[in-house]
Amino acid sequence: SAVISQKPSRDICQRGTSLTIQCQVDSQVTMMFWYRQQPGQSLTLIATANQGSEATYESGFVIDKFPISRPNLTFSTLTVSNMSPEDSSIYLCSVVSDQNYGYTFGSGTRLTVV
Amino acid sequence: AQSVTQLDSHVSVSEGTPVLLRCNYSSSYSPSLFWYVQHPNKGLQLLLKYTSAATLVKGINGFEAEFKKSETSFHLTKPSAHMSDAAEYFCVVTKGGYKLSFGAGTTVTVRA
Repeated sequence: SAVISQKPSRDICQRGTSLTIQCQVDSQVTMMFWYRQQPGQSLTLIATANQGSEATYESGFVIDKFPISRPNLTFSTLTVSNMSPEDSSIYLCSVVSDQNYGYTFGSGTRLTVV
Repeated sequence: AQSVTQLDSHVSVSEGTPVLLRCNYSSSYSPSLFWYVQHPNKGLQLLLKYTSAATLVKGINGFEAEFKKSETSFHLTKPSAHMSDAAEYFCVVTKGGYKLSFGAGTTVTVRA
């Protein structure tokens, strides 16, 4: 299955600033997803990022706040913009690593906004 | 919309006793279902998945789950809990294409 390198693993940021999270996959994958896990909560899908098309956002998430790039089949970034303490969460990327619903998850980025 | 409900937010068991984590799903079509485990400060690990093949699914570390369409359930069981099973468990369902919907999670504690 695919291997994902997600960076940074953690960061502490000032409110009002932005952070870009990167996910690098060791193989070409069509579908990539970004999730948020708020403290003590489950994972919530932010958006689907397929190469060659605009990211598709879930209800409650907007491009201005969470812009996503997907320049090729092995790489994607998620930016958390104009951060507030409510954005403090773990952010994870995920890819479909095989057509039989095999998924690989990144190790996550633990973001704290102060 | 496809979703899952984990019926217990917290389960506490004694080491060596059975573990049962309950999950009900709602779906307008035959879904794929998964159980993932997340140990403290660790990433997600797939325990098992159901993708329309055998309804009794065996996973890693002695876990298994049974897909029951009539009851819309996908409960996770293990005959004998180990201290290392203490973690957060998520029941997950596909919600259109390859998008996933996670349950709220069940925290498992194991007493010595």
